[in-house]
Amino acid sequence: GESVGLHLPTLSVQEGDNSIINCAYSNSASDYFIWYKQESGKGPQFIIDIRSNMDKRQGQRVTVLLNKTVKHLSLQIAATQPGDSAVYFCAENTIGNQFYFGTGTSLTVIP
Amino acid sequence: DTEVTQTPKHLVMGMTNKKSLKCEQHMGHRAMYWYKQKAKKPPELMFVYSYEKLSINESVPSRFSPECPNSSLLNLHLHALQPEDSALYLCASSQNRGGEQFFGPGTRLTVL
Repeated sequence: GESVGLHLPTLSVQEGDNSIINCAYSNSASDYFIWYKQESGKGPQFIIDIRSNMDKRQGQRVTVLLNKTVKHLSLQIAATQPGDSAVYFCAENTIGNQFYFGTGTSLTVIP
Repeated sequence: DTEVTQTPKHLVMGMTNKKSLKCEQHMGHRAMYWYKQKAKKPPELMFVYSYEKLSINESVPSRFSPECPNSSLLNLHLHALQPEDSALYLCASSQNRGGEQFFGPGTRLTVL
């Protein structure tokens, strides 16, 4: 399943499928990006980050892709599990070392 | 200790009350942040402290008053709030400004 962030703020996927969550960031000068996961009633939790001198970074079951040409960031989750159900935010570190968060995408994993 | 703690977890206050939110971290981080988050919205940056000095105030009304007594503590003093200030208030810290931020669980504030 795939979302385009601002236009599709919810994403439902079957357990075991791969998920792709997209984010369009605003500032071409942003040099550091983080994906956060926020479960209901909790604060955001760091998932993975990427600096602007890279276009891909892999973690455990997650991959972040950065396309600076179109100011686009994506988070890929492999073999999505029920515990992955949450809201996912991208955050960009922009001018003045301030982080700004994207709109967020709500991921629901169907068992 | 790799966590940010916030107290209280929940707070209900009237518009004439004065209350404070507290945040603490013992990771040696030198930057601390307050965010406000409304339901189904992303966190919005309110204040940034760097080396215990206020470095960013994102045009937040004066009824919110931050304080950083030392490098481990961050307070948010609340006075004469409005019902629209009801939200989840998140504290975060990072090694330095611009680095990975660690978030606390938040304080759920309701203003009656």
